[in-house]
Amino acid sequence: TQLLEQSPQFLSIQEGENLTVYCNSSSVFSSLQWYRQEPGEGPVLLVTVVTGGEVKKLKRLTFQFGDARKDSSLHITAAQTGDTGLYLCAGAWGGKLIFGQGTELSVKP
Amino acid sequence: GAVVSQHPSWVICKSGTSVKIECRSLDFQATTMFWYRQFPKQSLMLMATSNEGSKATYEQGVEKDKFLINHASLTLSTLTVTSAHPEDSSFYICSASLWGNTYEQYFGPGTRLTVT
Repeated sequence: TQLLEQSPQFLSIQEGENLTVYCNSSSVFSSLQWYRQEPGEGPVLLVTVVTGGEVKKLKRLTFQFGDARKDSSLHITAAQTGDTGLYLCAGAWGGKLIFGQGTELSVKP
Repeated sequence: GAVVSQHPSWVICKSGTSVKIECRSLDFQATTMFWYRQFPKQSLMLMATSNEGSKATYEQGVEKDKFLINHASLTLSTLTVTSAHPEDSSFYICSASLWGNTYEQYFGPGTRLTVT
């Protein structure tokens, strides 16, 4: 069974702080995606990483895919209250996505 | 681009009745659609994979006779919860993938089902 361990599961920080969310697995994924979900809505795709060692930036968000394509991280710089939400990593395997447990991020003013 | 809609966005039904949820890809053709279930503060749980014109593939533990999936066209998949019970109350989300690109999925806004 392919598993994605996401940590931390809950994170509460002050506006302006930095944070990192981790997504780890013992399995190799052909690609890995990060989604953000707000309450009562569907997840929205933030980024897809495909190549081992790849780094992608989306404004204040930096995504990294591990060299062995088994892990990934999401780093947010100078968090804002609008970053609050559920962050999900998902690895592509066997024609479907395997989701991590999610990280509930709360950014307080 | 890559917009997915779901209807209804929320539904309340009585125990024992059936409810149908529609998932549509609005601006692209989706060879594969996926149905997920999500409990509060938890991640998505894949229920089934639906390919146009063929039977859905259900994940282990998901009752195919209870959760009927039909993928009649490249833009529409439906999930019917039959003989619903209160424990079926949940947030149901569909997603669709583009042709030949199954690792990127575009999600619908979800349907909140409450069974009384």
